[in-house]
Amino acid sequence: KAGVTQTPRYLIKTRGQQVTLSCSPISGHRSVSWYQQTPGQGLQFLFEYFSETQRNKGNFPGRFSGRQFSNSRSEMNVSTLELGDSALYLCASSPILSGNTIYFGEGSWLTVV
Amino acid sequence: GENVEQHPSTLSVQEGDSAVIKCTYSDSASNYFPWYKQELGKRPQLIIDIRSNVGEKKDQRIAVTLNKTAKHFSLHITETQPEDSAVYFCASHSGNTPLVFGKGTRLSVIA
Repeated sequence: KAGVTQTPRYLIKTRGQQVTLSCSPISGHRSVSWYQQTPGQGLQFLFEYFSETQRNKGNFPGRFSGRQFSNSRSEMNVSTLELGDSALYLCASSPILSGNTIYFGEGSWLTVV
Repeated sequence: GENVEQHPSTLSVQEGDSAVIKCTYSDSASNYFPWYKQELGKRPQLIIDIRSNVGEKKDQRIAVTLNKTAKHFSLHITETQPEDSAVYFCASHSGNTPLVFGKGTRLSVIA
């Protein structure tokens, strides 16, 4: 089975721009969650989608948004980028909603300059 | 909401020694506790997990113990090897909420 696939792997953006990151879950997995990883802050939860609906949302500003498509693929968008948004964005998938093992993708490294 | 504290933040051990990483959680309803290992530049990968109806689980050189009364759980790695060097994250889950992670422990195994 193919793992969780994230694109792009690396990107550099300028402050004020917006960015869209994509995630394809493991085949058959219907839950997709997103985490932001920064040095010293560990893995901070952004949001979780299941069956195209946002089921949980972390404590991030409204500039961070996401969606899930009928094939379970997910995208997250960050608008009006700030320097502090530089981080590794990890997508994870699971067969069910919450409370089960989640499997991470390799992540998208975002640098905001 | 759930809060997970992880200690220590860094840990250095000699090859062959044991390593112990401890986590505490705040929500007494939490019932699932996985541990992830993240090697440099790679994705976090599940190495072991435990559910609240079990007190201890072992898989070769790694084991996890859970104390529900004290609300803490620990990862034990015996006979450490250089390839065990990585960042380890504990996590906790309760109800329909997502996994909440600790801030990680950077383990260095010195040959």
